[in-house]
Amino acid sequence: RKEVEQDPGPFNVPEGATVAFNCTYSNSASQSFFWYRQDCRKEPKLLMSVYSSGNEDGRFTAQLNRASQYISLLIRDSKLSDSATYLCVVNRGAAGNKLTFGGGTRVLVKP
Amino acid sequence: DTGVSQNPRHKITKRGQNVTFRCDPISEHNRLYWYRQTLGQGPEFLTYFQNEAQLEKSRLLSDRFSAERPKGSFSTLEIQRTEQGDSAMYLCASSLPGENYGYTFGSGTRLTVV
Repeated sequence: RKEVEQDPGPFNVPEGATVAFNCTYSNSASQSFFWYRQDCRKEPKLLMSVYSSGNEDGRFTAQLNRASQYISLLIRDSKLSDSATYLCVVNRGAAGNKLTFGGGTRVLVKP
Repeated sequence: DTGVSQNPRHKITKRGQNVTFRCDPISEHNRLYWYRQTLGQGPEFLTYFQNEAQLEKSRLLSDRFSAERPKGSFSTLEIQRTEQGDSAMYLCASSLPGENYGYTFGSGTRLTVV
């Protein structure tokens, strides 16, 4: 079983709609969590950290459920520019701040 | 430019040749990471440095791979006797110390072994 698992998608989303997807992680000792965005053939870029109480950044909302070991990302009012792969990322809290990436969820926003 | 810089951006090499990639991290970041990413997969950890010390290497890093960070600034990743399976995007990232910091990635070096 992979340490971080995501539905690869694609999630086809009409422009203006809301889309949400999850990822699950296997290591209960994981300490910190992130969502990264990756455009085609580009490097991953940090979208947002995920806090225990949940957090928002504009149209993006991230939630963490430690009991069930999953993280979610919700995108409201989807824009064409939101089309990308969203990588779920977990830090186990071991020495070195090593991040473990999921395989990514592809989102395609269509007019 | 204050971001993470990687060179070259693309490298095409014949099987069996050696290649070396360079990464210049953000200057105040003392941690530097190498990841590898193949199409449709997330980045996979290869190795990381804290300052000049290489503190962890993945099992993915066979003995054909070696990484250095001689003065705690830039880093190099060398692949000897390249194989077609080495074709991938090699990503370098840097971060501040502490577990709550995400990484800043460079643009990557895309390696194609023919």
